[in-house]
Amino acid sequence: QKEVEQDPGPLSVPEGAIVSLNCTYSNSAFQYFMWYRQYSRKGPELLMYTYSSGNKEDGRFTAQVDKSSKYISLFIRDSQPSDSATYLCAMRSNTGKLIFGQGTTLQVKP
Amino acid sequence: GAGVSQSPRYKVAKRGQDVALRCDPISGHVSLFWYQQALGQGPEFLTYFQNEAQLDKSGLPSDRFFAERPEGSVSTLKIQRTQQEDSAVYLCASSLARRFGETQYFGPGTRLLVL
Repeated sequence: QKEVEQDPGPLSVPEGAIVSLNCTYSNSAFQYFMWYRQYSRKGPELLMYTYSSGNKEDGRFTAQVDKSSKYISLFIRDSQPSDSATYLCAMRSNTGKLIFGQGTTLQVKP
Repeated sequence: GAGVSQSPRYKVAKRGQDVALRCDPISGHVSLFWYQQALGQGPEFLTYFQNEAQLDKSGLPSDRFFAERPEGSVSTLKIQRTQQEDSAVYLCASSLARRFGETQYFGPGTRLLVL
């Protein structure tokens, strides 16, 4: 079993839809949770970063962490075609390295 | 302001060849990470430097993989006697310091294809 599980999709939604992306993890010691966006043939770029449990909002993006369930989510409101990309959840280990999920491929259709 | 740069962007190697992949981190960034991303997968940690010291190499898949950062800036990942299973995108990331919570900034990656 992988430390971080993420449904690879693909997920296809119409423009304007609310998108929900999720990851589960097994290591209760994780405290730093990130969402990265990766466009085709590009490196990952940080979207959202959350410490411990709770919610964080940035524009159309909301990140949620539920440590009791070992479950994290990313919500995208009013999705746009430019949001089409692969979304990677990541957790920081106590040695500083990031442990990534498999990534979910999202397509937003105009 | 320059981000993390990597070269070459694409590399085709014949099985058994040695390859060297270069990473130029953001100026002043102390920490440098290498990750390997197989097709359709998330990045997987290979190794970590703090300045010139290689503090963690637990992710290197075999002794054919070697990384260095001799002056605490540019880093090179070397793969000896490449195998087909080495085909992947190799990503480099840097961060300002090794403090919990520091953002890792990724380069565009080097796409390696071993024939």
